[in-house]
Amino acid sequence: QVQLVESGGGLVKPGGSLRLSCAASGFTFSDYYMSWVRQAPGKGLEWVSYISSSGSTTHYADSVKGRFTISRDSAKNSLHLQMNSLRADDTAVYFCARDHNAGYSDYWGQGTLVTVSS
Amino acid sequence: EIVMTQSPGTLSVSPGERATLSCRASQRVSGNLAWYQRKPGQAPRLLIYDVSTRATGIPARFSGSGSGTEFTLTISSLQSEDFAVYYCQQYNNWPPWTFGQGTKVEIK
Repeated sequence: QVQLVESGGGLVKPGGSLRLSCAASGFTFSDYYMSWVRQAPGKGLEWVSYISSSGSTTHYADSVKGRFTISRDSAKNSLHLQMNSLRADDTAVYFCARDHNAGYSDYWGQGTLVTVSS
Repeated sequence: EIVMTQSPGTLSVSPGERATLSCRASQRVSGNLAWYQRKPGQAPRLLIYDVSTRATGIPARFSGSGSGTEFTLTISSLQSEDFAVYYCQQYNNWPPWTFGQGTKVEIK
């Protein structure tokens, strides 16, 4: 069965960096687009970043553009999100999700909590 | 950017009753609309895609409808496990993929 397991979250100071990972299994990872979506405390879902199946195309929300970098390693069936210059408003649970043809997300991980605080 | 607006913010429903959730898009999204269920501590779950197609394993009591800019998720007879927050999402014009702010379905 499809499984997505995020890791790498934690407490970081403003201006710091963190690298999230998502281990994928149960499907042919290299065939699928992938995304990161986050949910801040008490807020709704917010799309963060997208990467095509080949890794050649990426997109970012304006709120993270220039600070976050999405990447994938098809040899290791893993998705990553490098987060730099973190701010308090980046505090959220971060989910990785498998995308269906750059559309809806049909499988999601359980999420990893990122807290940005001094 | 397409803005998605959901109503109501909170819906109080008794078990066994029908729940009707609305989602409005600021521009036409054709048939590119999905609904998700979110429970605390759990992964978001895809319920409906392409406006009205139920995802794998989703019970028939969940149905989606609408077109253009107005969409509806209906839960025909609420079960205890259905109390959650529901989000709509458009994937017609991207990036960004945009979600509504959510409707919380709570026990009346």
